[in-house]
Amino acid sequence: DAKTTQPPSMDCAEGRAANLPCNHSTISGNEYVYWYRQIHSQGPQYIIHGLKNNETNEMASLIITEDRKSSTLILPHATLRDTAVYYCIVSQIQGAQKLVFGQGTRLTINP
Amino acid sequence: KAGVTQTPRYLIKTRGQQVTLSCSPISGHRSVSWYQQTPGQGLQFLFEYFSETQRNKGNFPGRFSGRQFSNSRSEMNVSTLELGDSALYLCASSLTTSGAYEQYFGPGTRLTVT
Repeated sequence: DAKTTQPPSMDCAEGRAANLPCNHSTISGNEYVYWYRQIHSQGPQYIIHGLKNNETNEMASLIITEDRKSSTLILPHATLRDTAVYYCIVSQIQGAQKLVFGQGTRLTINP
Repeated sequence: KAGVTQTPRYLIKTRGQQVTLSCSPISGHRSVSWYQQTPGQGLQFLFEYFSETQRNKGNFPGRFSGRQFSNSRSEMNVSTLELGDSALYLCASSLTTSGAYEQYFGPGTRLTVT
């Protein structure tokens, strides 16, 4: 699975959009980009995934560059409850299911 | 639908003992994965089971083993516990077996080895 690079920490003001970047320059054509988050002491929570096109759901938007070498997770109106560690993961489409977690980005939403 | 459940939630064991952790996936989910989380190593994949077969295994010693039952419930076992096995053990289940998939995590079992 391709490796991802994320900033270790970010801050965002409550009510503003939080934009979390992820670099995955070695991604291959059969790999999806997934985002998960982990709020303190809880199990990770799935947020969104994408292959080539931008995706949006009730939690967030995912913007993937045309060359697929990087992506951005956008939380449109961050709240204090969005404070968590966010993980960007690249994983193969087929085969056994295995998520390789990096260190993630610790996002702090400030009031 | 009920989420992924893990039992017990907390466990204290002594070095050299063995431990069994249990995971009940979301109803209808046939894939169960196990992860270990420690402050030093982060979240690491242990193994994944689908239809009672281990399909993938992480880089852990043979002391770590698992199994899955016909109802998709899974157990993991750690034998001859070491202090370094103290961790949060997370179980995740998923519905699909190919294509894009979402894994749903349980709350974890916090194991302390003394």
